[in-house]
Amino acid sequence: DGGITQSPKYLFRKEGQNVTLSCEQNLNHDAMYWYRQDPGQGLRLIYYSQIVNDFQKGDIAEGYSVSREKKESFPLTVTSAQKNPTAFYLCASSIIPGLAKNIQYFGAGTRLSVL
Amino acid sequence: ELKVEQNPLFLSMQEGKNYTIYCNYSTTSDRLYWYRQDPGKSLESLFVLLSNGAVKQEGRLMASLDTKARLSTLHITAAVHDLSATYFCAVESTGTASKLTFGTGTRLQVTL
Repeated sequence: DGGITQSPKYLFRKEGQNVTLSCEQNLNHDAMYWYRQDPGQGLRLIYYSQIVNDFQKGDIAEGYSVSREKKESFPLTVTSAQKNPTAFYLCASSIIPGLAKNIQYFGAGTRLSVL
Repeated sequence: ELKVEQNPLFLSMQEGKNYTIYCNYSTTSDRLYWYRQDPGKSLESLFVLLSNGAVKQEGRLMASLDTKARLSTLHITAAVHDLSATYFCAVESTGTASKLTFGTGTRLQVTL
């Protein structure tokens, strides 16, 4: 089955700890994205990548880091610099950036909480 | 900076009634997307609107786009309980290569 797999589903972070959220896609999509969703709010873009070995900051990149070493994978690290990390994190991918009808497809999400 | 506003933020409606959700955005765009999110779940793509005057329909939902007014609407006809969810519009700014800005969402609750 083609799709986007996020893991883990639930994650707990201790004070001062870095944690990494996994996102893998087998849709052969070029572009991948990370969003943060807070309760009762819309999605805010953290980072996005249009091609392997390249990525750009979104609207709320501070306290986060990413890598894109493989087309299929786009892990997100929530660093200790992110003081309010509790949120629902969604990963998405799309076929080719800039293409008309370039729908983003979403994973099931990771819910991160602070201990 | 692109801003996307949805209203209402919360909508409680009875089964069988009609209603419209509005999505206003602040800068030029001719690509607008509607998504649905069930509680605690991921987002599911509903509609893609790619030009001025575009109209798409699926079941009891119909979406339209007016790029001159910078407005999209999602119309619900004869609501049923299964439509209860949060609906998001997302706008792709011209020249930003698929970077979407999402509205705050409209939480729809359909009651018997």
